[in-house]
Amino acid sequence: QVQLVQSGAEVKKPGASLKLSCMASGYPFTSYAVQWVRQAPGQRLEWMGWINGGTGDTKNSQMFQGRLTMTRDTSASTAYMELSSLRSEDTAIYYCARGRGVSSALFDSWGQGTLVTVSS
Amino acid sequence: DIQMTQSPSSLSASVGDRVTITCQASQDISNYLNWYQQKPGKAPNLLIYDASDLETGVPYRFSGRGSGTDFTLTISSLQPEDIATYFCQQYDSLPFTFGPGTKVDIK
Repeated sequence: QVQLVQSGAEVKKPGASLKLSCMASGYPFTSYAVQWVRQAPGQRLEWMGWINGGTGDTKNSQMFQGRLTMTRDTSASTAYMELSSLRSEDTAIYYCARGRGVSSALFDSWGQGTLVTVSS
Repeated sequence: DIQMTQSPSSLSASVGDRVTITCQASQDISNYLNWYQQKPGKAPNLLIYDASDLETGVPYRFSGRGSGTDFTLTISSLQPEDIATYFCQQYDSLPFTFGPGTKVDIK
């Protein structure tokens, strides 16, 4: 079955960078997008961006312009999300999800989430 | 950005009750709306897409309606396993945005 497995929890200092992974299985990785969404404590889900598993094309929210880089390794069916210049407000659970349908906007399978804590 | 609101923010109902959650978009999004269920400590799960289409494997007691700016998610007969937070997501335009969630528990 479709499964997305994310890398483990991270603790980072302000100003540092973060790179998370999302390993997919159970479907053709290059036929779907991988979406990245985060959820800060007590806040609503926030869409970050997506990467096309086949072409590698990316689209990200303006909120993360200049700080967010998404890549993928098709041989490993793995997507990566890198966020730089971390600040305390980046403390959140980060999810990857498979994107399906129009604009890959149906998030039909999710990873288990990665807790990221940014603290000095 | 399109703003999504939901009501109520939380509700308590009895097993077997009909429960309805409302989601409103700040502008017309046609039927480009999804509903998700998130149980405590778990990742979200897609329930409804395109406002009214039931995702494969989701129980038939869940249904969605609406278009334009106003949408509803209905649980026809609330079950104990439906305890969760429900939220909507628009995908009419970028950035995709989510509602704040409606927390459902058993009375």
